[in-house]
Amino acid sequence: GAVVSQHPSWVICKSGTSVKIECRSLDFQATTMFWYRQFPKQSLMLMATSNEGSKATYEQGVEKDKFLINHASLTLSTLTVTSAHPEDSSFYICSARGGGGGAIRTDTQYFGPGTRLTVL
Amino acid sequence: AQSVTQLDSHVSVSEGTPVLLRCNYSSSYSPSLFWYVQHPNKGLQLLLKYTSAATLVKGINGFEAEFKKSETSFHLTKPSAHMSDAAEYFCVVSSLSGSARQLTFGSGTQLTVLP
Repeated sequence: GAVVSQHPSWVICKSGTSVKIECRSLDFQATTMFWYRQFPKQSLMLMATSNEGSKATYEQGVEKDKFLINHASLTLSTLTVTSAHPEDSSFYICSARGGGGGAIRTDTQYFGPGTRLTVL
Repeated sequence: AQSVTQLDSHVSVSEGTPVLLRCNYSSSYSPSLFWYVQHPNKGLQLLLKYTSAATLVKGINGFEAEFKKSETSFHLTKPSAHMSDAAEYFCVVSSLSGSARQLTFGSGTQLTVLP
């Protein structure tokens, strides 16, 4: 249980284009999803927290108009990088926290495998 | 406020020898503590977690960690390293503050296992 997938696993795009990354909880309902960014050989930095059906809460310094987050259902959140630039190249990782019940703990975030974005 | 300090950015051990990855935390609330492992270009895998139950926590792949409140530490250990243990390890703290529960990641420790 508690499987989180991300699609695509890697993407290369041209500067100025937009890229959408999907995060899905496959076998549980995720009341909250988180988006992280990881630069090479660095730790994860939280970008935003999203709850199903409401606007995402962005961390300080993260541009909400550039990184659009949609959490339209209890199993899907999307991150759209708009007008991507080379400095947006990074490893983006999502995680999901369930609403409890069964083996899914509310105090644990379950991580997706990550999406490698390269902007040329 | 909460924070995590991983005391070593790199640790090298020989295969078959013990592993010790150090982690200290600070938290204003009763914390939950986690260790995650990340292999190259992969997502994070949960090794183990402490959530106010037994202070000695056993995880997957032979890893364990001991929560020591007096020392604000949560060091990760393994009796005998295997080549497949080579990866990046993150110590993570989570504290409940009101209705929010966020993770704070340590800077990571790169574990190298020498043959």
